[in-house]
Amino acid sequence: KNEVEQSPQNLTAQEGEFITINCSYSVGISALHWLQQHPGGGIVSLFMLSSGKKKHGRLIATINIQEKHSSLHITASHPRDSAVYICAVSSVEKGAQKLVFGQGTRLTINP
Amino acid sequence: DGGITQSPKYLFRKEGQNVTLSCEQNLNHDAMYWYRQDPGQGLRLIYYSQIVNDFQKGDIAEGYSVSREKKESFPLTVTSAQKNPTAFYLCASSSQGGNEQFFGPGTRLTVL
Repeated sequence: KNEVEQSPQNLTAQEGEFITINCSYSVGISALHWLQQHPGGGIVSLFMLSSGKKKHGRLIATINIQEKHSSLHITASHPRDSAVYICAVSSVEKGAQKLVFGQGTRLTINP
Repeated sequence: DGGITQSPKYLFRKEGQNVTLSCEQNLNHDAMYWYRQDPGQGLRLIYYSQIVNDFQKGDIAEGYSVSREKKESFPLTVTSAQKNPTAFYLCASSSQGGNEQFFGPGTRLTVL
């Protein structure tokens, strides 16, 4: 079993729909990250969370530390939101920050 | 603009040849990382370096080598010993003790 599991692996929706991507992890973490990878391959950081909830524009990320679960929500989805969304958890080992990644969720928003 | 550059974006090599992927950052970050991404899998850590002239193996270091002679640069060599080198390679950096990593645009390596 992977240390970080995302669901669903693929998600197709119509423009305007509310999107939820889930992430569960099984290890102790110092923070959880949501990343976005566009077709060209570059990765950008969307959120870094250690508790509670964060909002940026139409994106909302939540984390429940007790349940080891996080969700990424997209409101009023748009075709430009189409990308792979990656959940990653970070911990510090021997002074080095380590990231463990989920396998990603491929989101396609149709106009 | 501060950031991480990787070159080239696409790289083709014949089987049995060593190839070096470049990663440069001007963020003044101490730590740098190399990841490999395969279709349907999460990123996996190849090597990381927390400081100049020091680096550590990640989860899949076999068949790879790195150097860290300068703070700004962390090149990755894919050797002929790497059994399955065709993949997308991403470089990242972070400040010492920082929780957030910044990623380069990646290099797609295809071995023919």
